Amino acid sequence: DGGITQSPKYLFRKEGQNVTLSCEQNLNHDAMYWYRQDPGQGLRLIYYSQIVNDFQKGDIAEGYSVSREKKESFPLTVTSAQKNPTAFYLCASSIAGQGLMDYGYTFGSGTRLTVV
Amino acid sequence: AQSVAQPEDQVNVAEGNPLTVKCTYSVSGNPYLFWYVQYPNRGLQFLLKYITGDNLVKGSYGFEAEFNKSQTSFHLKKPSALVSDSALYFCAVRALSGGSYIPTFGRGTSLIVHP
Repeated sequence: DGGITQSPKYLFRKEGQNVTLSCEQNLNHDAMYWYRQDPGQGLRLIYYSQIVNDFQKGDIAEGYSVSREKKESFPLTVTSAQKNPTAFYLCASSIAGQGLMDYGYTFGSGTRLTVV
Repeated sequence: AQSVAQPEDQVNVAEGNPLTVKCTYSVSGNPYLFWYVQYPNRGLQFLLKYITGDNLVKGSYGFEAEFNKSQTSFHLKKPSALVSDSALYFCAVRALSGGSYIPTFGRGTSLIVHP
């Protein structure tokens, strides 16, 4: 079945550590996205990529980094510069453009990151 | 800039009663509108979309939504609520903005269906 796989499901980070969240899709989608979800704040866009080897900052990119070396993969690194990283992180993918077959996003199951 | 408003943080309804979760939007150009549902510790699941055509859109699990262009609304509805419908619901709008089609999500509405 086609879909998006996020790993790990739960991740614990010590102060000052960098951690990387994995996101892989086999939907042949060109665009991929990372969102952060905090209670009562909805989804906030961290980074997005519409094509391999290119990505753009979203609304809250500070303290995060990404790469897009392959169409299928869009890993997110939470660096030590991110002062409040405890949150639920969601990866999504979509077609890059817009059309009648546009179903918006397909989401992964999320990674819950906790700073210990 | 595009925006989405979900004016209610929480909606409470008794099982068997009709439910409505409200969404209004603001975009330049023709909007693509979506509803998603999220269960605890899970990703968002697609429920339904409006792109063009009939203003009443039917989706998964018996949900439907009505596109109202004059009121810039896209309210989610279901004629008879189930306890299993209890979840977090997100409205999203997607339109051309700055050369890309990045959706904007509302803050979410928690639907609680009481037995």
